[in-house]
Amino acid sequence: AQSVTQLDSQVPVFEEAPVELRCNYSSSVSVYLFWYVQYPNQGLQLLLKYLSGSTLVKGINGFEAEFNKSQTSFHLRKPSVHISDTAEYFCAVSDRGNTPLVFGKGTRLSVIA
Amino acid sequence: DGGITQSPKYLFRKEGQNVTLSCEQNLNHDAMYWYRQDPGQGLRLIYYSQIVNDFQKGDIAEGYSVSREKKESFPLTVTSAQKNPTAFYLCASSISRDQETQYFGPGTRLLVL
Repeated sequence: AQSVTQLDSQVPVFEEAPVELRCNYSSSVSVYLFWYVQYPNQGLQLLLKYLSGSTLVKGINGFEAEFNKSQTSFHLRKPSVHISDTAEYFCAVSDRGNTPLVFGKGTRLSVIA
Repeated sequence: DGGITQSPKYLFRKEGQNVTLSCEQNLNHDAMYWYRQDPGQGLRLIYYSQIVNDFQKGDIAEGYSVSREKKESFPLTVTSAQKNPTAFYLCASSISRDQETQYFGPGTRLLVL
């Protein structure tokens, strides 16, 4: 069964600094990969997804992620963060649609003015 | 506007009572999902349904029940057998079982008094 590891539970970063949120998954079989963002007391919003094709995926709000099959990673990056990026971020994976999504435990990004 | 609605936003339950959380979608999606979210634990799958009149247990189904009598509705009942029901509950849907991009509702916070 798939599992997802988000290596950092909390990431503080100063405004306008770059950030990387790390995500590793357990299996090297063909996968779909997702990043979601959750603002306090709200549901999850899709940031970006990798289904196939280019390994560099661009999403909303200036975020991007790179799929690395050999390292089974899908790290999320943003070159310059804003206060409004403060939220919890979840990485998720499924085995090419054959299984439900498996979510990581989340990374809380705090942007400091 | 198309989307997923969950009601109520906050729900209080006395110990020993069953309570039902509502989830409705007008996206014409075949698949629907229920997740439980606890601090620091990410999202855990309770039940999912890929088609009307069919549903499968997720990772933490004990103490919960669901029905899927209509395509647009997937209510979740938290029974008295669920010993620790206080949590944030999220409903999601996707176009089909093979399309794993899930869209989330705003959530219901359940508190046991």
